Amino acid sequence: GQSLEQPSEVTAVEGAIVQINCTYQTSGFYGLSWYQQHDGGAPTFLSYNALDGLEETGRFSSFLSRSDSYGYLLLQELQMKDSASYFCAVSNRDDKIIFGKGTRLHILP
Amino acid sequence: GAVVSQHPSRVICKSGTSVKIECRSLDFQATTMFWYRQFPKQSLMLMATSNEGSKATYEQGVEKDKFLINHASLTLSTLTVTSAHPEDSSFYICSAPPPPSHRRREGPEAFFGQGTRLTVV
Repeated sequence: GQSLEQPSEVTAVEGAIVQINCTYQTSGFYGLSWYQQHDGGAPTFLSYNALDGLEETGRFSSFLSRSDSYGYLLLQELQMKDSASYFCAVSNRDDKIIFGKGTRLHILP
Repeated sequence: GAVVSQHPSRVICKSGTSVKIECRSLDFQATTMFWYRQFPKQSLMLMATSNEGSKATYEQGVEKDKFLINHASLTLSTLTVTSAHPEDSSFYICSAPPPPSHRRREGPEAFFGQGTRLTVV
């Protein structure tokens, strides 16, 4: 089977940095993605890692360690608009994407 | 970039009726599409894999007779919720993997539709 673990909620202060961790168990692992979802909206793609290491896209970075079945999303210079749910997701060779339960990010002014 | 269009975005229907949701790949061909369901404050749960020209593959626990999937062309997959009940009220969203011409090392691994919010009254 496949499973992903990520914290259910995280709280941070505006302007700060926050890291959301994700561990996974899956067969046929291909890559780890991160999606953002605001209430009532569709998920928005943020980042994808197929290889070990750090991928940086503006204020967001994502890291993957395949040997540890672990990844994280790093959000810098937090803004109020970053308040949302963040999902890690694994993709397999059959193109299926399985989502984690999501982390609700609360940002305090 | 590749776009997946889903409609309707919102639908309200009476209990016992059927609702059809369409998912189209606008500028690429998708032999495979995926359908997800999301209840409030929960994750996106994969329901089924839609395969062009063949039967859909359903995840464990998903009733194939209730959620009919048709993938009759390379650009269109439909999900029909039959005999809908209030407990079927949810957010339904489709996705398609990128074609080889759109695959990037940095992703994404899927293009998502805008989602359909179904309310059964």
